[in-house]
Amino acid sequence: KQEVTQIPAALSVPEGENLVLNCSFTDSAIYNLQWFRQDPGKGLTSLLLIQSSQREQTSGRLNASLDKSSGRSTLYIAASQPGDSATYLCAAPQSSSNTGKLIFGQGTTLQVKP
Amino acid sequence: GEEVAQTPKHLVRGEGQKAKLYCAPIKGHSYVFWYQQVLKNEFKFLISFQNENVFDETGMPKERFSAKCLPNSPCSLEIQATKLEDSAVYFCASSQSRNSPLHFGNGTRLTVT
Repeated sequence: KQEVTQIPAALSVPEGENLVLNCSFTDSAIYNLQWFRQDPGKGLTSLLLIQSSQREQTSGRLNASLDKSSGRSTLYIAASQPGDSATYLCAAPQSSSNTGKLIFGQGTTLQVKP
Repeated sequence: GEEVAQTPKHLVRGEGQKAKLYCAPIKGHSYVFWYQQVLKNEFKFLISFQNENVFDETGMPKERFSAKCLPNSPCSLEIQATKLEDSAVYFCASSQSRNSPLHFGNGTRLTVT
């Protein structure tokens, strides 16, 4: 059974800093892994989706990596901005059949201070 | 449309009343998902559809929850005889394929009093 864990639960950094958010998963037979962002009172915005055959994905200042053997994914945010302040969640399918049943981590709430 | 549209934004029901939530997926997306967010970052999967067919309903409390996705209509999630513990934000998401990113709506906040 897939379990997903994120650390830290909260992070506060000054503007301009590069930072890394961590996500761990227990089942290495992972179908894919997604990183989402949630702003207060809003739904989730998909940031990056990494397929099981990929090692990383990049979008703008974001880079997500996937290491199945160690059960880890990281989200790297370069040159952080106050607008990056949000909760970041990673999620993986419950099983390799991928029926859309995602298991979410508890999230990391990021605050970027001007 | 280009966004997942959920209605209503807020819904208040007395315990025991029925609640019905609606979701219009992004046009061209074949998969629809419902999630329940009870605590701040705790998302619970309820059900997924492939077009109008149930794909995975292992998260649904079968006694009181039901969902449909019919052609040419918004998808719906219905809760019969609501309980206090049903108070949550219910999110709908859609995707083009099983291996595509999920696009979430802004959710319906259900408050059961």
